[in-house]
Amino acid sequence: TQLLEQSPQFLSIQEGENLTVYCNSSSVFSSLQWYRQEPGEGPVLLVTVVTGGEVKKLKRLTFQFGDARKDSSLHITAAQPGDTGLYLCAGANVNYGGSQGNLIFGKGTKLSVKP
Amino acid sequence: NAGVTQTPKFRILKIGQSMTLQCTQDMNHNYMYWYRQDPGMGLKLIYYSVGAGITDKGEVPNGYNVSRSTTEDFPLRLELAAPSQTSVYFCASRGQGNSPLHFGNGTRLTVT
Repeated sequence: TQLLEQSPQFLSIQEGENLTVYCNSSSVFSSLQWYRQEPGEGPVLLVTVVTGGEVKKLKRLTFQFGDARKDSSLHITAAQPGDTGLYLCAGANVNYGGSQGNLIFGKGTKLSVKP
Repeated sequence: NAGVTQTPKFRILKIGQSMTLQCTQDMNHNYMYWYRQDPGMGLKLIYYSVGAGITDKGEVPNGYNVSRSTTEDFPLRLELAAPSQTSVYFCASRGQGNSPLHFGNGTRLTVT
């Protein structure tokens, strides 16, 4: 069974601080997706990383996919209250593009950014 | 563009009652999914479908049933509600290849 361990589970920081969220597995994934979820809503995709070692930037958010495609990180620079939410990583198995394709979700990191 | 629409938003059931959670998408996506989300537990896959007429079990299918008679609709049925089914249920869909999931806004179900 593929598992994704996400850490930390909770993070409470002040506005302007930097933070990193980690997503680790012993399994190889064909790609990894990061979602952000606000209360009362469904998760919304932030980014998909596909190539080992890939780095993608989305304004103040930097996403990295490990060289071996087993882990990923999300770094937020100068966090703002609007970044508050639940961050979920999800790994796609090798059959994701086919008939058995599913995502394996981490348990999420609940981020609170205080003004 | 409505995306993925789930109804109802909230529901309270008594033990043993049944209900159907509705999900419809207007993006012509072949793949559709039902997840449940419990506090601190992430998203667990209940059932999924790769196209009309095809469904398959996910990680936690017991106590649930699904059908996929059309591309647009993927209802989730609870036949005999149990307190363990208290959760937030999310429906999602996606297109072909490596495309990401599009989620509805969830149904919060309480079984008492």
